[in-house]
Amino acid sequence: QKEVEQNSGPLSVPEGAIASLNCTYSDRGSQSFFWYRQYSGKSPELIMFIYSNGDKEDGRFTAQLNKASQYVSLLIRDSQPSDSATYLCAVRPDSGGYQKVTFGTGTKLQVIP
Amino acid sequence: NAGVTQTPKFRILKIGQSMTLQCTQDMNHNYMYWYRQDPGMGLKLIYYSVGAGITDKGEVPNGYNVSRSTTEDFPLRLELAAPSQTSVYFCASSYSTSGKTDTQYFGPGTRLTVL
Repeated sequence: QKEVEQNSGPLSVPEGAIASLNCTYSDRGSQSFFWYRQYSGKSPELIMFIYSNGDKEDGRFTAQLNKASQYVSLLIRDSQPSDSATYLCAVRPDSGGYQKVTFGTGTKLQVIP
Repeated sequence: NAGVTQTPKFRILKIGQSMTLQCTQDMNHNYMYWYRQDPGMGLKLIYYSVGAGITDKGEVPNGYNVSRSTTEDFPLRLELAAPSQTSVYFCASSYSTSGKTDTQYFGPGTRLTVL
């Protein structure tokens, strides 16, 4: 069974610190990786996607992908209380056509003012 | 664009009742999905559709049915509701070409309780 593993948390960081969220996956054929943010009682919304090894930056967010080690991480710089949410990692096995995206159970982040 | 809309927002069903959860998207997306999310858990795929007239089962299809007669609409039917179907249901859609950046857009969800 293809799995996506995340630490459920909560991960508590002080305001202004760097939050580091990690995700490992079992399917070596995975090609695309997504980070979604979900506020309590709301629907998931995409923050970033990445499909090449290395780092991808978007504002305060950086996604890091290491296919050899089968992990993807999300760094949030200058964490704000508004970043407090559950972050879902999602993995897609291959490009082209329909490929089922598998979601992790999410890591709850708490940013302490 | 309204994006992905779902109705109703909340519903309480009695065991054995049936209902249809509605989902509509106005982004001309070809792919649509139904997920359920239990408390503290990730999203489990119930059914998906790659286009009008084409649907297929996901991880947890038992007790549900879908249809896709138009690009815009993807209703989810619950037959003979059971307490195990108490969950939050999300509909999502995406536009997949080469597929690498297959971003899914989610509706606001339907919170269903079966008593």
